[in-house]
Amino acid sequence: GAGVSQSPRYKVAKRGQDVALRCDPISGHVSLFWYQQALGQGPEFLTYFQNEAQLDKSGLPSDRFFAERPEGSVSTLKIQRTQQEDSAVYLCASSLGGEDTQYFGPGTRLTVL
Amino acid sequence: KNQVEQSPQSLIILEGKNCTLQCNYTVSPFSNLRWYKQDTGRGPVSLTIMTFSENTKSNGRYTATLDADTKQSSLHITASQLSDSASYICVVRGHTGGFKTIFGAGTRLFVKA
Repeated sequence: GAGVSQSPRYKVAKRGQDVALRCDPISGHVSLFWYQQALGQGPEFLTYFQNEAQLDKSGLPSDRFFAERPEGSVSTLKIQRTQQEDSAVYLCASSLGGEDTQYFGPGTRLTVL
Repeated sequence: KNQVEQSPQSLIILEGKNCTLQCNYTVSPFSNLRWYKQDTGRGPVSLTIMTFSENTKSNGRYTATLDADTKQSSLHITASQLSDSASYICVVRGHTGGFKTIFGAGTRLFVKA
């Protein structure tokens, strides 16, 4: 595709539900990043993939958060037993390499009731 | 503690005027610094990138400066347009291991007709 796409764009979940957020990176981009952006704040790093390998997951806030990229392309961020504090926009970005310009998707706005 | 601080938090200017946004960082050692523009409801888009040895980088009406000694950067917008209304985020990449990048909270710019 022409850019990074994410789905769904909006997700409302009841507290305790599991959610899965999808990211389709730009074709050929080796690197993929997930970020969490609270209202009025800058994005905060969650995790990084190089192809299918998850090289850095130091930003994941708890073990309820899990990300995968099994074939080195599409990635899924899963949040188990969602809490209200998980409400945020989740941004995905891809780049040719880890140091290159990151191209961001539009984000998924998650609201946990 | 946020390692990237931006000021002002928000700014209102008239169309056609210039403005300067500030970014102070404490990330060290330092690899590169980027300025991103984020329109409401969209992911950030890269405007400029500067490495340690660069002092100035321009992209159309956007000019970024970097003083690596004082750990300060600025983004100057010339002859502002209504479409410049957005959040401008300063992002610093450290040189330590991992792929984490530190985002500032952003400056919200409103350009009025």
